[in-house]
Amino acid sequence: ELKVEQNPLFLSMQEGKNYTIYCNYSTTSDRLYWYRQDPGKSLESLFVLLSNGAVKQEGRLMASRDTKARLSTLHITAAVHDLSATYFCAVDGAGSGYSTLTFGKGTMLLVSP
Amino acid sequence: KAGVTQTPRYLIKTRGQQVTLSCSPISGHRSVSWYQQTPGQGLQFLFEYFSETQRNKGNFPGRFSGRQFSNSRSEMNVSTLELGDSALYLCASSADLNTEAFFGQGTRLTVV
Repeated sequence: ELKVEQNPLFLSMQEGKNYTIYCNYSTTSDRLYWYRQDPGKSLESLFVLLSNGAVKQEGRLMASRDTKARLSTLHITAAVHDLSATYFCAVDGAGSGYSTLTFGKGTMLLVSP
Repeated sequence: KAGVTQTPRYLIKTRGQQVTLSCSPISGHRSVSWYQQTPGQGLQFLFEYFSETQRNKGNFPGRFSGRQFSNSRSEMNVSTLELGDSALYLCASSADLNTEAFFGQGTRLTVV
């Protein structure tokens, strides 16, 4: 059974600080996703990381993946209040033939002045 | 290119009733998956359809069912609603099996 663990589950940080969210998963995966969710809203796709270990960056967010370690990180640089949201990591099953995603519990990020 | 469209966006139902939610995938996508999001259980997979066939099913009671039509649109049905069925229901479409998933805006179901 594919399991995804995120930590921390809650993160309170000050504007301007850097921090990293971690995502561990239990079996091989073709795609790893990072999503952002604002309260009451759907999932906004941030990054899709394939098993080749590429690093992707968008604004103050950078995502990377270590396929061997089954670990992905979402790094936040110089946080701003607008980044306050819940961030989810999700993975599919490698070669499963399905598009089914298994999600972590999410990291609630609160950025304060 | 239009995204994934879910209707209705909001729904209030009474315990014991049944409900049908609809999902129109991105044009050309053949796979549709459904997820339930609740504060207690998080995001959980319900089922996945591909070319009108259910390919995968999550661990939910038989009250939850779904289907996919020849145009790839999908519906999910929940019968004999319970308070615990209150949730955000998300639909995702993929071009093919095991390809990138794109999510719709969700349907917020409240059972009273």
